Amino acid sequence: AQTVTQSQPEMSVQEAETVTLSCTYDTSENNYYLFWYKQPPSRQMILVIRQEAYKQQNATENRFSVNFQKAAKSFSLKISDSQLGDTAMYFCAFMKPGTALIFGKGTTLSVSS
Amino acid sequence: DTAVSQTPKYLVTQMGNDKSIKCEQNLGHDTMYWYKQDSKKFLKIMFSYNNKELIINETVPNRFSPKSPDKAHLNLHINSLELGDSAVYFCASSPNRGGGAFFGQGTRLTVV
Repeated sequence: AQTVTQSQPEMSVQEAETVTLSCTYDTSENNYYLFWYKQPPSRQMILVIRQEAYKQQNATENRFSVNFQKAAKSFSLKISDSQLGDTAMYFCAFMKPGTALIFGKGTTLSVSS
Repeated sequence: DTAVSQTPKYLVTQMGNDKSIKCEQNLGHDTMYWYKQDSKKFLKIMFSYNNKELIINETVPNRFSPKSPDKAHLNLHINSLELGDSAVYFCASSPNRGGGAFFGQGTRLTVV
């Protein structure tokens, strides 16, 4: 069975700084997808970034980028130029095609001015 | 023009009652899900439907019954509600090949 581990329950950062959220996963699959979701206090689940396991190039979306290390089964999220609106809970998730997302326990990120 | 919408957003009910949560998606996705987020914010899959067929049925009490009248709708009916059912329930939809899932705004269910 696949598992997703986020080892940082809480993190805090100042505005404009860079922060990295960690995620590791365990799977014997070769074809899968990895995701980061953001859940602000409004509780809406927002897809931040997506990575296909067969692609070596790390995904980027504006200020958000990932460091995908397939052999190490590591998938960290880097947020550059942090903004107050980035304050949220962040979930790392794994998905095998045709199945459901498996989530980590989340990291609460606080951005302060 | 909300992509995935679920109703109601909040639901407060007494133990023993039966309630339903409705979900609709206009993204044209074939797969829909119900997830439960507990008080510690942990998200867990409950059910998944693909083109109206149940494909994932995790260990969930029989009191929970999903129904998909068509591929754009997936409803969740809960019988004999218990205090432990209090949680946020999310509906989501997904394209078939690993596009991730797009979530509704969640329904906060409180059983008193």
